[in-house]
Amino acid sequence: EVQLVESGGGLIQPGGSLRLSCAASGFTVSNSFMTWVRQAPGKGLEWVSVIYSGGSTYYADSVRGRFTISRDSSKNTLYLQMNSLRGEDTAVYYCARMLFGSMDYWGQGTLVTVSS
Amino acid sequence: DVVMTQSPLSLPVTLGQPASISCRSSQSLVHSDGNSYLNWFQQRPGQSPRRLIYKVSNRDSGVPDRFSGSGSGTDFTLKISRVEAEDVGVYYCMQGTHWPPITFGQGTRLEIK
Repeated sequence: EVQLVESGGGLIQPGGSLRLSCAASGFTVSNSFMTWVRQAPGKGLEWVSVIYSGGSTYYADSVRGRFTISRDSSKNTLYLQMNSLRGEDTAVYYCARMLFGSMDYWGQGTLVTVSS
Repeated sequence: DVVMTQSPLSLPVTLGQPASISCRSSQSLVHSDGNSYLNWFQQRPGQSPRRLIYKVSNRDSGVPDRFSGSGSGTDFTLKISRVEAEDVGVYYCMQGTHWPPITFGQGTRLEIK
């Protein structure tokens, strides 16, 4: 059974850093396209970043240069390193597996709150 | 970037009645491989998004057959033949043809009248 479990969210001051984790089971992260999607309180879904199975990475304009997506094959885990956090980064962050132009499995999400 | 526009943004429906959500893209979603990667997701209150439909009209396993997707090019529709109470939530379309970036519609909130 495919499962994705995010962790690492919390309250952080503006300008701070946080690393989110997404532990996967039932499939191999390094053989998959994996993505992060976020949802600000009361708002819609916003794509954040993707990592291809070959290792290429892409980012939304709003986070490029501040966020870094990566993975650890030995732990079958996806990460999102978030630096220089801003209030507008406050959101629930979801990881999802991408397959054929779609997101077939999603995690439960982890809340990041950026506030002083 | 491909802009996805949904309508309506709010959809009050009587139980047992049909519902329809439109999704339009700013450019054709036909991929060079011939497929159109248009997806529909349901997000119930307090839950993660769940995929309902992929490649325009393919229903995911476990999705009731009252849900159906159709469309082509730039115009797509999600239909619910008879709305049930468990269908309350927000519905999003998403294009996976021209990415990155992956883009979502604004969401349509379905409520029971």
